[in-house]
Amino acid sequence: QVQLVQSGAEVKKPGASVKVSCKASGYTFTSYYLHWVRQAPGQGLEWVGIINPSTGSTTYARKFQGRVTMTRDTSTSTVYMELSSLRSEDTAVYYCARAPTVNYYFDYWGQGTLVTVSS
Amino acid sequence: EIVLTQSPGTLSLSPGERATLSCRASQSVSSTYLAWYQQKPGQAPRLLIYGASSRATGIPDRFGGSGSGTDFTLTISRLEPEDFAVYYCQQYGSAPWTFGQGTKVEIK
Repeated sequence: QVQLVQSGAEVKKPGASVKVSCKASGYTFTSYYLHWVRQAPGQGLEWVGIINPSTGSTTYARKFQGRVTMTRDTSTSTVYMELSSLRSEDTAVYYCARAPTVNYYFDYWGQGTLVTVSS
Repeated sequence: EIVLTQSPGTLSLSPGERATLSCRASQSVSSTYLAWYQQKPGQAPRLLIYGASSRATGIPDRFGGSGSGTDFTLTISRLEPEDFAVYYCQQYGSAPWTFGQGTKVEIK
């Protein structure tokens, strides 16, 4: 069965970086795009960016450009999202989510990773 | 960027009642590219509806989607206890992919 398993919760200080992983299984890793979506406490869903695991190409939300980097490791079927220059407003649950092509809905989601930014 | 506005913010209903949730887009969205998700506390969102009206695998037929252009609707014909949750609409036709702010369906 399709699974997206994310890394565990992180606590970071302002100005630091965090790298969250999302390991895919149960399907052909390079055949589906992976998005990252975040959710601040008590808030809605916010799209962060997308990576094509086959080519490594990425598109980021304008808000995060310059601070976010998405990469993939095809040998382990894992994608990574690194967010730098963290501030308190980045405290959120970060989800990875799968989509069959670029213009497609998100059919499977990871369990989420809580990133807390606090001094 | 396409902004999605959901209404109402909160819907207070009893089990067995009908729920009607609205999602309005700031510009026209092809119905092909409109989805609805359900999210329960502490859980990831779950896909309910895609293409504005197609139910995802395993979604009961009490969930229905409709609409076109800038106005879309999610209807739950008879609320079951497990349906009390937050619902989000999403457009995935063009980057940046955007979500509505959510409608909470709570027990009255």
